[in-house]
Amino acid sequence: GAGVSQSPRYKVAKRGQDVALRCDPISGHVSLFWYQQALGQGPEFLTYFQNEAQLDKSGLPSDRFFAERPEGSVSTLKIQRTQQEDSAVYLCASSLGLAGLGDTQYFGPGTRLTVL
Amino acid sequence: AQSVSQHNHHVILSEAASLELGCNYSYGGTVNLFWYVQYPGQHLQLLLKYFSGDPLVKGIKGFEAEFIKSKFSFNLRKPSVQWSDTAEYFCAVNATNAGKSTFGDGTTLTVKP
Repeated sequence: GAGVSQSPRYKVAKRGQDVALRCDPISGHVSLFWYQQALGQGPEFLTYFQNEAQLDKSGLPSDRFFAERPEGSVSTLKIQRTQQEDSAVYLCASSLGLAGLGDTQYFGPGTRLTVL
Repeated sequence: AQSVSQHNHHVILSEAASLELGCNYSYGGTVNLFWYVQYPGQHLQLLLKYFSGDPLVKGIKGFEAEFIKSKFSFNLRKPSVQWSDTAEYFCAVNATNAGKSTFGDGTTLTVKP
């Protein structure tokens, strides 16, 4: 079946522009996660949704970052007034059950954001 | 706060050599532990996980890992690596019943044919 998909795969933005990154999780998956992966580092947690509820947004680096999952399926990560330090790969993952119970997270291919 | 430390940034082995990648975590409570692998040009995918029960867990492609609670470690092992094991390996931890997972910085494994 289809895995997690993300779009766009690559995004180049000028400093100060707003960007929106989309994640389509595996159908029926309850949990959805966003991560930021800088070059040479592991993924860093940004936020977690259980269905449409955003239960943990402790990893969002500033109030310029906003995520939503209004109908409990597709999610969008929005970054306002992008800065060069926002350049990274943004990964989305989904899991069938609730987070923290050992469920496997399935990752998408990521969106590589470059801010000039 | 939880943290994960992977001791080796880059490991180079010849085919048939044995592999052990170190992973230590810092967290005082009950955890779930994971090893993920990213092959060149592919997505991150789960290699194996520890949730509860037997601390020695077996994953895909002949990999295994042992959870040693007293040492806060979850080292990954494979007795005989293949060229196709060339990839980046990430250790991750998440507290039971929590959404946040913390990843290490990864270990790049290169296997020479």
